Amino acid sequence: DAGVIQSPRHEVTEMGQEVTLRCKPISGHDYLFWYRQTMMRGLELLIYFNNNVPIDDSGMPEDRFSAKMPNASFSTLKIQPSEPRDSAVYFCASSLGRASGNTIYFGEGSWLTVV
Amino acid sequence: QQQVKQSPQSLIVQKGGISIINCAYENTAFDYFPWYQQFPGKGPALLIAIRPDVSEKKEGRFTISFNKSAKQFSLHIMDSQPGDSATYFCAAPDNDYKLSFGAGTTVTVRA
Repeated sequence: DAGVIQSPRHEVTEMGQEVTLRCKPISGHDYLFWYRQTMMRGLELLIYFNNNVPIDDSGMPEDRFSAKMPNASFSTLKIQPSEPRDSAVYFCASSLGRASGNTIYFGEGSWLTVV
Repeated sequence: QQQVKQSPQSLIVQKGGISIINCAYENTAFDYFPWYQQFPGKGPALLIAIRPDVSEKKEGRFTISFNKSAKQFSLHIMDSQPGDSATYFCAAPDNDYKLSFGAGTTVTVRA
C-alpha cells in the first residue's frame, strides 16, 4: 500500500485566503485523524472520523476550521479565512480499529505557511 | 483527559551509547502504550508498543520498560546509531478512540 497520501506537501498562502488540505487514507482503514504539529503545542488532534462520520471535533481550534470525509478514500481539512497563527504541519492519519489499541499510520504532512 | 509528560526534551548521545526517554501518564483505564519515531520532514511512525501485561518489550535495539504502579514507561535505545537521530513521542490512550502524545524528545547521536 502507498500509505496515507496528503496534498499539498507545502503551501504558502496569504492571510485571509482559503486553504484546503487533502488526504487519502490507507484502503480499508476505518478511522481517519487530522493532527496539527507545532513547536509550541506539539501534536494536537483536531478531529477524527469513524467510517466517514465525524466523531470528535473538539480539537478544532475555531469555526474557521472545518473537515469533511465524503467517502472512505478522501478527506479534506479547510481553513477559511487563514491566519498566520495557523502556520503548522498538518498530518492526516488512519488506523484499522480504535487508536487505543492499534497502529496509527501518518502521512508525510502538509506544511502550511500563512504570511 | 489523558496527560502524558515526557522527558527529557532533547538529548545527545555518542554512537554506541544508550538513550533513555521517560514518560508518565495519568489515565490507567487503557492498556496500550506506543512510541512513535519521527524523522525531519516525515510523519511519525510507530516504533514499538507495549501492553502492561508485561513489564518489558524488546525489539532489536529498542526496549520499552513499563512500571504500572508508578504509571511510567520508558524507551531505551541501546547501541545508539546516527540513524536513530530523530524525535521520539510516547503516547497513551485518552479514550477508546484517541491517543494523547507526549511533547517529544529530540535525540541526536554523534558519530
